[in-house]
Amino acid sequence: ETGVTQTPRHLVMGMTNKKSLKCEQHLGHNAMYWYKQSAKKPLELMFVYSLEERVENNSVPSRFSPECPNSSHLFLHLHTLQPEDSALYLCASSPRGADTQYFGPGTRLTVL
Amino acid sequence: AQSVTQPDIHITVSEGASLELRCNYSYGATPYLFWYVQSPGQGLQLLLKYFSGDTLVQGIKGFEAEFKRSQSSFNLRKPSVHWSDAAEYFCAVGAGSGGYNKLIFGAGTRLAVHP
Repeated sequence: ETGVTQTPRHLVMGMTNKKSLKCEQHLGHNAMYWYKQSAKKPLELMFVYSLEERVENNSVPSRFSPECPNSSHLFLHLHTLQPEDSALYLCASSPRGADTQYFGPGTRLTVL
Repeated sequence: AQSVTQPDIHITVSEGASLELRCNYSYGATPYLFWYVQSPGQGLQLLLKYFSGDTLVQGIKGFEAEFKRSQSSFNLRKPSVHWSDAAEYFCAVGAGSGGYNKLIFGAGTRLAVHP
């Protein structure tokens, strides 16, 4: 499945570092999503962009900063993270409307 | 509020046996329903979806699911499980809102397959 790609696949960072996660979709979709998947917790929707405009921000701490420069790319900028932010971060995209979301492989983030 | 319940956290079946994974949802209108599968270290792959019409939905890898409005359920079934089906399965309910689809996921059911 190469419709949605994410880089890097694995990331280890210290609490004082600044890093970015990248997502790219090759499906011509109009909406893109960031999810957080932690152990023993359901997937949590973090952010939604529709037509490059942020439309959902589900009470995510400001140390996570999304960016959507165009409809094919989505970034998640990370700074001063906490160990509890260690998780699998999944990106997804969907066509306009109530249609299916297609997921990338995720970035496994470890915060030391 | 929308919610999804997957009552079984872990299920173990023998290879070749039949499988049913349960999913119950709470949603005020006609739901859009999905089943996704996740292999270790991977993203989510869509198995099947229900938007409207025939309540028995066929998906990939030999899976099917049946939407029962009266029971608020969308259970996933497979008549004969293969070892490669071992993975985590997620049920989700979605509501389109303008230009995007907000999904609420269940906690997942982890499937183990014995040879």
